[in-house]
Amino acid sequence: GAVVSQHPSRVICKSGTSVKIECRSLDFQATTMFWYRQFPKQSLMLMATSNEGSKATYEQGVEKDKFLINHASLTLSTLTVTSAHPEDSSFYICSARISSTEAFFGQGTRLTVV
Amino acid sequence: GQNIDQPTEMTATEGAIVQINCTYQTSGFNGLFWYQQHAGEAPTFLSYNVLDGLEEKGRFSSFLSRSKGYSYLLLKELQMKDSASYLCASVDNAGNMLTFGGGTRLMVKP
Repeated sequence: GAVVSQHPSRVICKSGTSVKIECRSLDFQATTMFWYRQFPKQSLMLMATSNEGSKATYEQGVEKDKFLINHASLTLSTLTVTSAHPEDSSFYICSARISSTEAFFGQGTRLTVV
Repeated sequence: GQNIDQPTEMTATEGAIVQINCTYQTSGFNGLFWYQQHAGEAPTFLSYNVLDGLEEKGRFSSFLSRSKGYSYLLLKELQMKDSASYLCASVDNAGNMLTFGGGTRLMVKP
């Protein structure tokens, strides 16, 4: 079946550094991918919509210069958290829809900024 | 915009039946998903409803009423492993973006 692969699954970085998270669609082409953030005991909050070959669409309140999204191919979208701070520590999840009735999530990335 | 409400927490007994409700108010609607999420893991797909009525899948069933902006997830013969968060999510008119409710944390007790 369709699989969305996300890595790394866990990353610890120092404050001020940047972290890149990759999201790949393994057996289908995803023109659109979605990036979510989830804080402990909270639901998923949409950060941005990643469109292949064009600029990402960011939700209100999400800094586009801090959360850089690149969707250079139909199978890969990346989220780079730049100049990370402890408050950016969260669970980041990507998602892609392959049909009107199926949506799949990556495994998620647990980011800890120390 | 989208506004989705579901209870924060529920507790049920192993072997019992539990119903998790979800109400939504959306400017555009193109279906509703239910996901299960265990702590620290990504959500896994449970069901998708776009037409009114009940869809049954083994121990899990999902119901939708578009006129009432209401859905529920029904879990039968509860097992301990069903302890998880259950998220409902509506789909926008374009059929792409999912907006999630706050999630319902279900605890199944022996």
